[in-house]
Amino acid sequence: DAGVIQSPRHEVTEMGQEVTLRCKPISGHNSLFWYRQTMMRGLELLIYFNNNVPIDDSGMPEDRFSAKMPNASFSTLKIQPSEPRDSAVYFCASGDHFNYGYTFGSGTRLTVV
Amino acid sequence: GEDVEQSLFLSVREGDSSVINCTYTDSSSTYLYWYKQEPGAGLQLLTYIFSNMDMKQDQRLTVLLNKKDKHLSLRIADTQTGDSAIYFCAETYGGSQGNLIFGKGTKLSVKP
Repeated sequence: DAGVIQSPRHEVTEMGQEVTLRCKPISGHNSLFWYRQTMMRGLELLIYFNNNVPIDDSGMPEDRFSAKMPNASFSTLKIQPSEPRDSAVYFCASGDHFNYGYTFGSGTRLTVV
Repeated sequence: GEDVEQSLFLSVREGDSSVINCTYTDSSSTYLYWYKQEPGAGLQLLTYIFSNMDMKQDQRLTVLLNKKDKHLSLRIADTQTGDSAIYFCAETYGGSQGNLIFGKGTKLSVKP
């Protein structure tokens, strides 16, 4: 298995633009998580899905953020409009009930200028 | 709210043992985890311990859990320069594997 695949690896965009981050979880995993990592706040859970259904989105900072999981092999995190304070590394992770812990992707480094 | 605390930095000499400490708050945590993050990479699961265990050993890694004090530690024996990374402690929030709360990470620097 290729692991959790995230794209793009790096994204630089201008303030006000829409940004879409993509994630392909490990096949067979039924849980998917989006995390954001910054120096100031560390790792924050934004949202997680179980069997493609959003379970907890209390970490989503505001209405500008939205996440979808249309099927078991794909998820997106969208920011519209983006702001400089959204600059961070965004990680996707997936897991299942038979293995402990999660497998993380390599992350998307987002810079909003 | 729930919180996981770690010291931010640790520096050791190659060949020495490293001990990274963590305190957590959720007494219902079922599992506790240690993750490693190398520069520019995602988090890699190193090891985990079930809450009814006191110790777990896996090659050079030893995890100690003091449930009464809510204290978790990771000992790396014979630390190598390749062990230089950020180490994150994490607890399962609310007893469910569905939500991990991470500490801010301890940056381990290994000097030759």
